[in-house]
Amino acid sequence: GENVEQHPSTLSVQEGDSAVIKCTYSDSASNYFPWYKQELGKRPQLIIDIRSNVGEKKDQRIAVTLNKTAKHFSLHITETQPEDSAVYFCAARPGGQNFVFGPGTRLSVLP
Amino acid sequence: DVKVTQSSRYLVKRTGEKVFLECVQDMDHENMFWYRQDPGLGLRLIYFSYDVKMKEKGDIPEGYSVSREKKERFSLILESASTNQTSMYLCASSFTPVSGNTIYFGEGSWLTVV
Repeated sequence: GENVEQHPSTLSVQEGDSAVIKCTYSDSASNYFPWYKQELGKRPQLIIDIRSNVGEKKDQRIAVTLNKTAKHFSLHITETQPEDSAVYFCAARPGGQNFVFGPGTRLSVLP
Repeated sequence: DVKVTQSSRYLVKRTGEKVFLECVQDMDHENMFWYRQDPGLGLRLIYFSYDVKMKEKGDIPEGYSVSREKKERFSLILESASTNQTSMYLCASSFTPVSGNTIYFGEGSWLTVV
């Protein structure tokens, strides 16, 4: 079955710097890759997603890149702000199967 | 706006008690899921359902059961709670999978078993 690894587990950046979180997956049948942000005490919420036929997608300060050959995808956050502090989860979906989530990355943006 | 509502946010139960966690979604989604969230382990799938009265085991079904009598409601049942079931439980829902459909989460239920 699918296995998703996520690195780093914790990340601290200075406000205004960029943050990058990387996920790798094992199942070449995976074709959809969402990223979720979970603030303390709140539900995970979708922030960006990418399909396997696209290499990059951007939404304001957030971007996701996908390398199908290497089976990895990354979340890029530019000009980080304190409100970006949260736990971020990546996920992969093999075809019509259920999502497999990474273990999460705790991002801290320091003022 | 999709709404997934978990009726209990914080519960404290005794070992051996039967525990019900309720989840309701208002978007007519076919699929509903129960996940367990533990630090460093991410989200682990307990059970899911693709239709009324249907249920499928996820990755960690031991010690749990589910019920889906109505399309909008999916219940997680701990028949005899144990301390190792202390965790945060997340309900989620989605439309029938086609490539790219994402899932929507509830706010979570924090369960402490003492």
